[in-house]
Amino acid sequence: SAVISQKPSRDICQRGTSLTIQCQVDSQVTMMFWYRQQPGQSLTLIATANQGSEATYESGFVIDKFPISRPNLTFSTLTVSNMSPEDSSIYLCSVFLPDKLNSGANVLTFGAGSRLTVL
Amino acid sequence: GEDVEQSLFLSVREGDSSVINCTYTDSSSTYLYWYKQEPGAGLQLLTYIFSNMDMKQDQRLTVLLNKKDKHLSLRIADTQTGDSAIYFCAGTFSGGYNKLIFGAGTRLAVHP
Repeated sequence: SAVISQKPSRDICQRGTSLTIQCQVDSQVTMMFWYRQQPGQSLTLIATANQGSEATYESGFVIDKFPISRPNLTFSTLTVSNMSPEDSSIYLCSVFLPDKLNSGANVLTFGAGSRLTVL
Repeated sequence: GEDVEQSLFLSVREGDSSVINCTYTDSSSTYLYWYKQEPGAGLQLLTYIFSNMDMKQDQRLTVLLNKKDKHLSLRIADTQTGDSAIYFCAGTFSGGYNKLIFGAGTRLAVHP
């Protein structure tokens, strides 16, 4: 089955710095999704990354704060810019992959996440 | 709007069945999912159900969907300590099939 790899898995960052998170999928996918999970909270979609076009951001998220790259069909990056302690979260990459064991339907599958702590 | 709600905490005895409940507001659901998150880990897809189904069974897991009441449940038979985790209900609704709306998660604690 396809694998979604994220790095870094965790990092501790200083206020005001930026960090880029990478997501690699071992199969080609049209869309890649970036979610945020704040401490003790549920998941919120940040943006959808399409290859060859600008990312689509959800309400409350802007490109200047969370620039995204999507250079090819297997890779994407999310940058968290000018970080503050409020950005401390788990950032998760996800893609739709076929459920080959069952119906073959495309189901949303997550990477292991990148846990950021901003001091 | 789209809203997914879950109870926040459930405690069960090892060997008993666990039932985690979820309700949603948008009747135009397409897929409904259950994910499991263990401490410090990412999200593991447990199971999912199409909105035109009312039940799905997968080993110890049974998903029941009542579309009329907009109610989804996950039953875990013979609950084990390894089942202790946070369980998230999520669905795709009128906002688009690509966007999952997540519940707040139910923390399942299994005790001997």
